[in-house]
Amino acid sequence: GQQLNQSPQSMFIQEGEDVSMNCTSSSIFNTWLWYKQDPGEGPVLLIALYKAGELTSNGRLTAQFGITRKDSFLNISASIPSDVGIYFCAGYITGANSKLTFGKGITLSVRP
Amino acid sequence: GAGVSQTPSNKVTEKGKYVELRCDPISGHTALYWYRQSLGQGPEFLIYFQGTGAADDSGLPNDRFFAVRPEGSVSTLKIQRTERGDSAVYLCASSLIGPNSPLHFGNGTRLTVT
Repeated sequence: GQQLNQSPQSMFIQEGEDVSMNCTSSSIFNTWLWYKQDPGEGPVLLIALYKAGELTSNGRLTAQFGITRKDSFLNISASIPSDVGIYFCAGYITGANSKLTFGKGITLSVRP
Repeated sequence: GAGVSQTPSNKVTEKGKYVELRCDPISGHTALYWYRQSLGQGPEFLIYFQGTGAADDSGLPNDRFFAVRPEGSVSTLKIQRTERGDSAVYLCASSLIGPNSPLHFGNGTRLTVT
């Protein structure tokens, strides 16, 4: 079953606002990844994090690998309509490095 | 483009039938993965190939599911005696060298078992 917790299931924001998404787990992860999925398409990698405490940016996106290795967050700044989609956190649990484990995802809606 | 290609994009089959789903990875990627995504869920791991061999098949739900990658490139996921619960989107991904390199996903095959 899923070992990554993402909540809430849906988020609604106004265009131009910032939004933050958390991902937590009871297991220790050695890699954290954030993916975005649009309808009818596969997930697309946004940011990859490989070290505890690491803070990485990709344009308007910023993500951090939690110091406890059990959580991560993704920030989107100055949201635009094309940010709409499902955001998944994913990671490799220490000792199970073949299996990328995904959260259930957060559906983001952006009101113009 | 040179992304991961999956065919067919949609497959409707009757309960009890056999289906094959095809994945053509990015050229030069040695690692290939199959995931299954049910509605409202994240993708769930099925199997991982390194080259021609299945390095980890622990995610396959039962012996009705089987996957091959005979030449280390194209892979086929095979499902025997399909059940309605097998209905899902089956995603394929590839990566350059293995799990420590980023996974690139295809658009999936939506399987519907009636």
